[in-house]
Amino acid sequence: DGGITQSPKYLFRKEGQNVTLSCEQNLNHDAMYWYRQDPGQGLRLIYYSQIVNDFQKGDIAEGYSVSREKKESFPLTVTSAQKNPTAFYLCASRRSMNTEAFFGQGTRLTVV
Amino acid sequence: EDQVTQSPEALRLQEGESSSLNCSYTVSGLRGLFWYRQDPGKGPEFLFTLYSAGEEKEKERLKATLTKKESFLHITAPKPEDSATYLCAVHQGAKETSGSRLTFGEGTQLTVNP
Repeated sequence: DGGITQSPKYLFRKEGQNVTLSCEQNLNHDAMYWYRQDPGQGLRLIYYSQIVNDFQKGDIAEGYSVSREKKESFPLTVTSAQKNPTAFYLCASRRSMNTEAFFGQGTRLTVV
Repeated sequence: EDQVTQSPEALRLQEGESSSLNCSYTVSGLRGLFWYRQDPGKGPEFLFTLYSAGEEKEKERLKATLTKKESFLHITAPKPEDSATYLCAVHQGAKETSGSRLTFGEGTQLTVNP
């Protein structure tokens, strides 16, 4: 079955550590996205990529980094510079600009 | 700047009590408006895409409509299993530099009581 896989589902990080969230898709989609969702709020765009080896900052990119070395993969690193990283992180992909985005099941990151 | 505003923030209905959710937007060159359903602790699930004013889409008890300034998600005779957060998103494509980003509203949390 085609889809988007995010791992891990739950992640705990100590303050000062970098962590990387995985996102893999087998839908052959060009565009991929990372969103952050805080309790009771909508989705805020962190980074997006329209093509391999290219990505753009979203609205809240500070403290995050990404790479897009393969079409299928778009990992997100939450660095120690992110002051409030505890949140629900969602990865998505789209076939083209006018089509809907499909989401993974999310990774819940908690700083301990 | 793209703006997407959803109302109400929360809606509580009795089973069978029909109602509507609103998504108003201010974008230049709308290239698509998308509705999603999100259950707690899960990723959003795609429901509908609307591209032009006057367009309507239906799926079971849900019907989405679009005007030039807003979209409505009508829920007819809802059931408890329709309880979820409903999100709308817009894709603005008039500017070359906007890329393919989607802007989301903050959602409407719907609770349907039996």
